[in-house]
Amino acid sequence: SQQGEEDPQALSIQEGENATMNCSYKTSINNLQWYRQNSGRGLVHLILIRSNEREKHSGRLRVTLDTSKKSSSLLITASRAADTASYFCATALPTGGSYIPTFGRGTSLIVHP
Amino acid sequence: DSGVTQTPKHLITATGQRVTLRCSPRSGDLSVYWYQQSLDQGLQFLIQYYNGEERAKGNILERFSAQQFPDLHSELNLSSLELGDSALYFCASSPRDSGNTIYFGEGSWLTVV
Repeated sequence: SQQGEEDPQALSIQEGENATMNCSYKTSINNLQWYRQNSGRGLVHLILIRSNEREKHSGRLRVTLDTSKKSSSLLITASRAADTASYFCATALPTGGSYIPTFGRGTSLIVHP
Repeated sequence: DSGVTQTPKHLITATGQRVTLRCSPRSGDLSVYWYQQSLDQGLQFLIQYYNGEERAKGNILERFSAQQFPDLHSELNLSSLELGDSALYFCASSPRDSGNTIYFGEGSWLTVV
């Protein structure tokens, strides 16, 4: 089952513009993570935000978390063609005796040079 | 480079056959996760092992099995393959058993013909 859902499914922008992706989830969380996947490659961890944090920055990335709305956003500022990739949010769902990172379907970002 | 190694990178096999995918986790990571990524199902969690023991099970078919060996490498066995098993199979690892960042390999592309 999908815990997180990203929106929009696809986003096309010009280089230099900002890109904003949103994630909604269903159950309470300890943290939320964002990952990036270049076409056909493995997912790469970008940033983790804990449930008691509202905003976090890493380079050109800004992540916000609103636990009351069960939503998060990822902002990429001054985008570059190299940012073209799919972006996934992940939350940990209790599964068996563990908490398993569970991913949405992702936002496909295309940055045009 | 995440430090997670998966082999083979690509394989093509016929329906009804059996294949084994191999994963070496990052040095020191005790936890291994297997995911399947396909266009229609997205990124689906299959199974997790922690220090040699099965810890959590997801949407893993009965035709599929996995194990983690004493040296912590893991294998995913897929048998009686069907066309619908064609997908990208990822292994990921993490230091602890749950809840936080996981590190993905580059995946094994399986095509069943």
